[in-house]
Amino acid sequence: GESVGLHLPTLSVQEGDNSIINCAYSNSASDYFIWYKQESGKGPQFIIDIRSNMDKRQGQRVTVLLNKTVKHLSLQIAATQPGDSAVYFCAENNDYKLSFGAGTTVTVRA
Amino acid sequence: DSGVTQTPKHLITATGQRVTLRCSPRSGDLSVYWYQQSLDQGLQFLIQYYNGEERAKGNILERFSAQQFPDLHSELNLSSLELGDSALYFCASSYNPRGTEAFFGQGTRLTVV
Repeated sequence: GESVGLHLPTLSVQEGDNSIINCAYSNSASDYFIWYKQESGKGPQFIIDIRSNMDKRQGQRVTVLLNKTVKHLSLQIAATQPGDSAVYFCAENNDYKLSFGAGTTVTVRA
Repeated sequence: DSGVTQTPKHLITATGQRVTLRCSPRSGDLSVYWYQQSLDQGLQFLIQYYNGEERAKGNILERFSAQQFPDLHSELNLSSLELGDSALYFCASSYNPRGTEAFFGQGTRLTVV
């Protein structure tokens, strides 16, 4: 069945270090993936997306990697800042449904 | 600001009641999605509309219904409310029906007492 999950529910990162947030998906038919950031009391905020015909996509301080062989998605955040503290969700799009994983809570240590 | 507007921001109501949540999508977006976020269940997809028509359905209860109007705003109706319906309800919009670059509103926090 369809499922999107994250490997770790929490991640603690030192300010200035790089963060890597992982996500595994099970539906090989999914053709589009998105990473969202949700801060406390706010709605999910679009970070970056990637289509299934790509392996890597870069944005500002963020990189998304897609490994279709093992159905794995990751979000890399360079030089993590205190403002990056939030819950990060990966989402997959299949048949017009955007399904979310459980989320990883990232805490940035000063 | 994502450009997606949801009202009201907070809602407190009693069990058995009926409420309506409203969503105005970003200008130009034709798709509207509704999600429920509970503390222990993450973001659950409820339903999607595209240009006034229902396009996809998730785990939406029969007590819940939604519609998208000609001006593209959408309403989510929740009836016979139960304590377990207390959650954050988010609306998202995107230009196309595939959900690419879907932007979320700030949500409506529903508390059923």
